[in-house]
Amino acid sequence: DAGVTQSPTHLIKTRGQQVTLRCSPKSGHDTVSWYQQALGQGPQFIFQYYEEEERQRGNFPDRFSGHQFPNYSSELNVNALLLGDSALYLCASSLTGTNNEQFFGPGTRLTVL
Amino acid sequence: AQSVTQLDSHVSVSEGTPVLLRCNYSSSYSPSLFWYVQHPNKGLQLLLKYTSAATLVKGINGFEAEFKKSETSFHLTKPSAHMSDAAEYFCVVSDWAAGNKLTFGGGTRVLVKP
Repeated sequence: DAGVTQSPTHLIKTRGQQVTLRCSPKSGHDTVSWYQQALGQGPQFIFQYYEEEERQRGNFPDRFSGHQFPNYSSELNVNALLLGDSALYLCASSLTGTNNEQFFGPGTRLTVL
Repeated sequence: AQSVTQLDSHVSVSEGTPVLLRCNYSSSYSPSLFWYVQHPNKGLQLLLKYTSAATLVKGINGFEAEFKKSETSFHLTKPSAHMSDAAEYFCVVSDWAAGNKLTFGGGTRVLVKP
């Protein structure tokens, strides 16, 4: 079992560009959540996908959007990048009904210049 | 709304001595509580979880935590620190009203001195 995988590992973009991050959940999991972790802070919830729909959303602007595919993998898209979007983006997967236990991937480090 | 406060941003211990990381939570409903560890340039690893069963929870690598509802606390302890315990630790809360959303504390960075 490969666990949760994310790609790419690192990414450098400039202000105003758009970026897509990818996540493959742990085998057997059906729910994917995305978190943003700024340097020196705890992760902040962005949104969660289940059955290809956004089930919950945190306090993030509409520039942040996502998608879940039939195989449960997911993408996080960020438009009109700002310097403040520089962070570690973490994907977590879980199985609905398992007491909220989430398994995290290694993250994608996004740097916006 | 749920929230978590980690009372120490940094903790320094000597190898072989006990470790105590303090966490207080706020939740309107019966919460699930977790401790995660993050080593440098690595993802988050689950240490242990409380989900309304036994109040004393044992986790991996010798860590344990005690859920105290009256004090709204979920402190993490380890009897004897090892050099490999140097990392960032996060206390996390989730309740049914928040769905599967996890709310993280600000983190406690642990330094282990030889």
